[in-house]
Amino acid sequence: DAGVTQSPTHLIKTRGQQVTLRCSPKSGHDTVSWYQQALGQGPQFIFQYYEEEERQRGNFPDRFSGHQFPNYSSELNVNALLLGDSALYLCASSSAGGGTGGTPSYEQYFGPGTRLTVT
Amino acid sequence: GQNIDQPTEMTATEGAIVQINCTYQTSGFNGLFWYQQHAGEAPTFLSYNVLDGLEEKGRFSSFLSRSKGYSYLLLKELQMKDSASYLCAVYQGGANNLFFGTGTRLTVIP
Repeated sequence: DAGVTQSPTHLIKTRGQQVTLRCSPKSGHDTVSWYQQALGQGPQFIFQYYEEEERQRGNFPDRFSGHQFPNYSSELNVNALLLGDSALYLCASSSAGGGTGGTPSYEQYFGPGTRLTVT
Repeated sequence: GQNIDQPTEMTATEGAIVQINCTYQTSGFNGLFWYQQHAGEAPTFLSYNVLDGLEEKGRFSSFLSRSKGYSYLLLKELQMKDSASYLCAVYQGGANNLFFGTGTRLTVIP
């Protein structure tokens, strides 16, 4: 049973460039959430996708956009990169239909993350 | 406003017991999660509480008091591999997302 996968693992970009990060959810999951985790901080919610639509959004500017495909995989796009966008970007998947072991449907399984460095 | 408070760092001895506290003030509450995160890795699920009381799972236990906006994670028989960050996160009903604290970095020493 494949878990959540993300690509690439590491990425170095220059200020002002654009970047696309990819995520494949855990098998059987249909919901994908994206988080940004700066060094020494907890993850911050960017947005969530379900049924190919953005269902909820955190406090991030429009430079951050996303997409979900029919196979439930997702992309995170960031335009006009700033130095402050350097962080670990985590993708988490969940099942709207319910979790396992008594945990709620919103139990989120995290991928290994993409480490983005903006120079 | 929304806020989750956890101690920034803790140190404990191998074989001992440690309690990591978390207090929260959030707009909406539909459960509290604890995650473990080793340096450079993804968070992994440890526990979930939605009702008041203690949930025990092996060496790890988690407690919740909704009226006090308080939770703790208890780690028993500490092992060196327990050195990691421990993240407290609130699931906000209707918001469909986890609101995380900054995490507590636990160092286990011999």
